[in-house]
Amino acid sequence: AQSVTQLDSQVPVFEEAPVELRCNYSSSVSVYLFWYVQYPNQGLQLLLKYLSGSTLVKGINGFEAEFNKSQTSFHLRKPSVHISDTAEYFCAVSDDKIIFGKGTRLHILP
Amino acid sequence: DAMVIQNPRYQVTQFGKPVTLSCSQTLNHNVMYWYQQKSSQAPKLLFHYYDKDFNNEADTPDNFQSRRPNTSFCFLDIRSPGLGDAAMYLCATSRVTGGGTEAFFGQGTRLTVV
Repeated sequence: AQSVTQLDSQVPVFEEAPVELRCNYSSSVSVYLFWYVQYPNQGLQLLLKYLSGSTLVKGINGFEAEFNKSQTSFHLRKPSVHISDTAEYFCAVSDDKIIFGKGTRLHILP
Repeated sequence: DAMVIQNPRYQVTQFGKPVTLSCSQTLNHNVMYWYQQKSSQAPKLLFHYYDKDFNNEADTPDNFQSRRPNTSFCFLDIRSPGLGDAAMYLCATSRVTGGGTEAFFGQGTRLTVV
């Protein structure tokens, strides 16, 4: 069965500093990976997705992620965060349905 | 804009009193999903429809039912809500199922049971 693990439940980072949110996956078949963002009391919005091809995937709001097959990782990065990036971030893997990780709460410190 | 709309955004219901949450979509997607998300947890899939075909997750309690009268609408019925059913309920759609298919989410309905 496919699964994703988000090692960090919370990540504090100063405004304008870079951030990396970690995600590791487990899959025995083709891998399709996603990052979703959830702002307070909102639904989930797709940030980016990896289906195939280039291992570096660029998404919305300046986020990017790198698919690393040897390390079974799909970490999310942003070079400079803004206060508006405060949200919960979910890594997900899909086969016939989408399976979410437990989420990482990003705290932006002034 | 095409979208997924959930009503109401906030719902308060009494313990044991049936409640229905609604979801509509203008994306004309074949698949509609219902997820339950408890505080600080990942969304958990309850069931989904592919067109009119209903697919229940093995661990979804019988207390939860769903209806999809047409392509655009899908309802979540909780027959006898308990305190443990308080959560955010998320509706999502996708064009098809299968690996790599993106899901589009509504803004959610936060259910409180009193």
